[in-house]
Amino acid sequence: GENVEQHPSTLSVQEGDSAVIKCTYSDSASNYFPWYKQELGKGPQLIIDIRSNVGEKKDQRIAVTLNKTAKHFSLHITETQPEDSAVYFCAAPTRDTGRRALTFGSGTRLQVQP
Amino acid sequence: NAGVTQTPKFQVLKTGQSMTLQCAQDMNHEYMSWYRQDPGMGLRLIHYSVGAGITDQGEVPNGYNVSRSTTEDFPLRLLSAAPSQTSVYFCASSYSGSEAFFGQGTRLTVV
Repeated sequence: GENVEQHPSTLSVQEGDSAVIKCTYSDSASNYFPWYKQELGKGPQLIIDIRSNVGEKKDQRIAVTLNKTAKHFSLHITETQPEDSAVYFCAAPTRDTGRRALTFGSGTRLQVQP
Repeated sequence: NAGVTQTPKFQVLKTGQSMTLQCAQDMNHEYMSWYRQDPGMGLRLIHYSVGAGITDQGEVPNGYNVSRSTTEDFPLRLLSAAPSQTSVYFCASSYSGSEAFFGQGTRLTVV
């Protein structure tokens, strides 16, 4: 099945700095790569996603880059704010489900220090 | 729209008891999934459904049953609860298997 590895597991940055989280995937046919943010006590929420026909996508302070050759994608958060503190998950479609469900990375706990 | 609604939010079970975790969505999504979340392990797929009457197993299906009699509802049944099933359970729905919407989760403790 699909294997998604995520690094780092924890990340602490100063407010205003940038944060980068990286994921690798194993299924070369994967074509959709979402990022989820999970706040304490809540369910994951989609914050940005990218499809395999583009290399980068931006939405205000958040961007995702994709390198299909190397099979990795990254989340970039610029000008971090305390409210960015949360757990972030990357994901990719699960080949064994006909890509009808997602395989998640193990998560990155981001702490933004005021 | 309420999105994806899960009940209950918290539950404590004794070993061997059975229960059903409820999940309902009002977005007319065909795809629904159940995940469990354990510390340091991300979310792991238990079962999924691509439409009413169609279900299939995910990565960790043992000890769980599902059914999908309507597009809106996708309950998860624990047949005989075990301490290893202590976890946070999330239900998700999506239109095409890509952009998934999650419920708020059910925190289950089995003692």
